[in-house]
Amino acid sequence: AQSVTQLDSQVPVFEEAPVELRCNYSSSVSVYLFWYVQYPNQGLQLLLKYLSGSTLVKGINGFEAEFNKSQTSFHLRKPSVHISDTAEYFCAVSDNFGNEKLTFGTGTRLTIIP
Amino acid sequence: EAGVAQSPRYKIIEKRQSVAFWCNPISGHATLYWYQQILGQGPKLLIQFQNNGVVDDSQLPKDRFSAERLKGVDSTLKIQPAKLEDSAVYLCASSVSGTSMGAEAFFGQGTRLTVV
Repeated sequence: AQSVTQLDSQVPVFEEAPVELRCNYSSSVSVYLFWYVQYPNQGLQLLLKYLSGSTLVKGINGFEAEFNKSQTSFHLRKPSVHISDTAEYFCAVSDNFGNEKLTFGTGTRLTIIP
Repeated sequence: EAGVAQSPRYKIIEKRQSVAFWCNPISGHATLYWYQQILGQGPKLLIQFQNNGVVDDSQLPKDRFSAERLKGVDSTLKIQPAKLEDSAVYLCASSVSGTSMGAEAFFGQGTRLTVV
């Protein structure tokens, strides 16, 4: 079984400042890792995913994440945030045996301060 | 490409009543998921279908929740009778196939259920 820990429930950041949202996972098998974003009253939208290969993954809206196997982490970063980045961000993991069952963290609410 | 469609968007019912949610996945997607998202928590998988067969329903409270996927396309999730703790957003998602490596799951906008 897998689990995901998002250490920060809320992160306030000034506009145009950099941000890092932390995600750690636990699994006994190899995994795929995902970051999803949820805007108010919307469903979840995929930001980026790590399947294999390069540990630095680039996604939509200028976000990127780095897979660190030794630290079992998959932190999300953006060098300069915008008001429109205000949303809830979820880290998720699935095993790589093809059933694609996603296990989500509890989410981090990113608030951009003008 | 049309996304995952869910209805209704909002539903308010009294406890012990029954309720049903509907989901139409993206055309051609074999895998369909129902997730429950309680306020302040991440989505939790309730049930996963591969075509019209159940792959995983280990976290579905089967004494009150039921789900079916007709002809491997549309799906309905039912709660009978509802409890206060069932208040949540119910998300439907679909993906191409379980055989695809890390294929993206596409989510609908969800149904917000309030049980009073």
